[in-house]
Amino acid sequence: RKEVEQDPGPFNVPEGATVAFNCTYSNSASQSFFWYRQDCRKEPKLLMSVYSSGNEDGRFTAQLNRASQYISLLIRDSKLSDSATYLCVVNDQAGTALIFGKGTTLSVSS
Amino acid sequence: DAGITQSPRYKITETGRQVTLMCHQTWSHSYMFWYRQDLGHGLRLIYYSAAADITDKGEVPDGYVVSRSKTENFPLTLESATRSQTSVYFCASSEMGRTGGFFGQGTRLTVV
Repeated sequence: RKEVEQDPGPFNVPEGATVAFNCTYSNSASQSFFWYRQDCRKEPKLLMSVYSSGNEDGRFTAQLNRASQYISLLIRDSKLSDSATYLCVVNDQAGTALIFGKGTTLSVSS
Repeated sequence: DAGITQSPRYKITETGRQVTLMCHQTWSHSYMFWYRQDLGHGLRLIYYSAAADITDKGEVPDGYVVSRSKTENFPLTLESATRSQTSVYFCASSEMGRTGGFFGQGTRLTVV
C-alpha cells in the first residue's frame, strides 16, 4: 500500500466553484501533515500545514481525521490562479522526512 | 538573498559519467533532502540529512551518493549515470524533519 494516496484527478471546475481534495495515509504514527502546491515545471511550495483541529487560510481549509487517516483540502471561490497540482504530504515513520502523494491536478476555467 | 538554490538548473550527460548536483541553503536549516520527480511516481525521497556529517537513505537511494560536510551544502552525486536517472531533482531544507520544507527550483537532468 502506497504511504500517501490521492485521487489524481484532474478536477476541472469553473471559477467560483468549491472543490475538495482527499488524501489517505498508511502510517498511523505520522505526526505532521501538509498540503503543497506545485505549478507546472516548478518546485513544490508549502500551502499550509494541517492540524487535528482543522485550520483555515483565506479560501483554503484543511482537515485531518486521525482515526480514518484521512486529510482533506477545501478550496472555496476557486480562482484561475488556483490551477495547479496539490500534493498531500505526511512525515515518514521515523518522523524525519516528508512523504509525498502523487498529487491531484486542479484546472479552474473562466 | 536567503533561500535554497540548486545548480545546475539543466544538465545533459552521457551514460556512465559521474555528475554532481549542488544544493545550497542560507537558512542554516538542520535538515536537507533530495527528491526526484518522475511522471507516474510523484516525488520520491533519495537521501536526507539531519545535520552535517549525518545522512540517511530514502526510498530510492541506489546509484546515488550524498555528503554533507557543511550545514549549508548537500551535493548529490550520480556515480555512473544511467538513462533511468533522467528526472527532475529537487533539493529541500527544513528546520526539523517533521516541519514543512522549502524547495529549490530543481535540476532537470537528462542522461543520454
